[in-house]
Amino acid sequence: DAGVIQSPRHEVTEMGQEVTLRCKPISGHDYLFWYRQTMMRGLELLIYFNNNVPIDDSGMPEDRFSAKMPNASFSTLKIQPSEPRDSAVYFCASSLSGSLPTDTQYFGPGTRLTVL
Amino acid sequence: AQSVTQPDIHITVSEGASLELRCNYSYGATPYLFWYVQSPGQGLQLLLKYFSGDTLVQGIKGFEAEFKRSQSSFNLRKPSVHWSDAAEYFCAASGGYNKLIFGAGTRLAVHP
Repeated sequence: DAGVIQSPRHEVTEMGQEVTLRCKPISGHDYLFWYRQTMMRGLELLIYFNNNVPIDDSGMPEDRFSAKMPNASFSTLKIQPSEPRDSAVYFCASSLSGSLPTDTQYFGPGTRLTVL
Repeated sequence: AQSVTQPDIHITVSEGASLELRCNYSYGATPYLFWYVQSPGQGLQLLLKYFSGDTLVQGIKGFEAEFKRSQSSFNLRKPSVHWSDAAEYFCAASGGYNKLIFGAGTRLAVHP
């Protein structure tokens, strides 16, 4: 398997623009997670899905952020409008059953977002 | 509040030297504990995890970690560090289900 795939790997945009990050989980995995990594806050969970349904979005910072999972092989994280404080590395992860600790979350390489 | 603390932001060791990375947790009950490694430009890879049983856990790449309930610690160790171990290491905890809480990370540099 190719692992979790994220695109783009790097994104530079200007404040106020819409940004869409994409993720393809490992085939057969029922859980998908979006994380954000910043110097100030470290790695934090934004939202996760089970079978394409959002289960917990309590980590989503504000209404400018939205996430969707239209099918089992694709998810998007959208920021509209983007702000400089959204600059971070965004990771997508997937797992088979979602049951820690027996299951493992597999991380993608991340998307480095820079908002000017 | 639940939290994971990694007291060392940056550690430098010589190649061949031993390594210990510290991790402390604050949870209502004993959480499940994990160590991940992040190489430059890469995602996180699971090194090892603890959830019950033997308090000394073996992982990949020659790493091990010891769970100490009395100290609320889960320190990562390696007897002999290789240059390829240079990376950032994250300790994480979970109370179950799906949510991982990560520490701030420790960046490891290895001198030849």
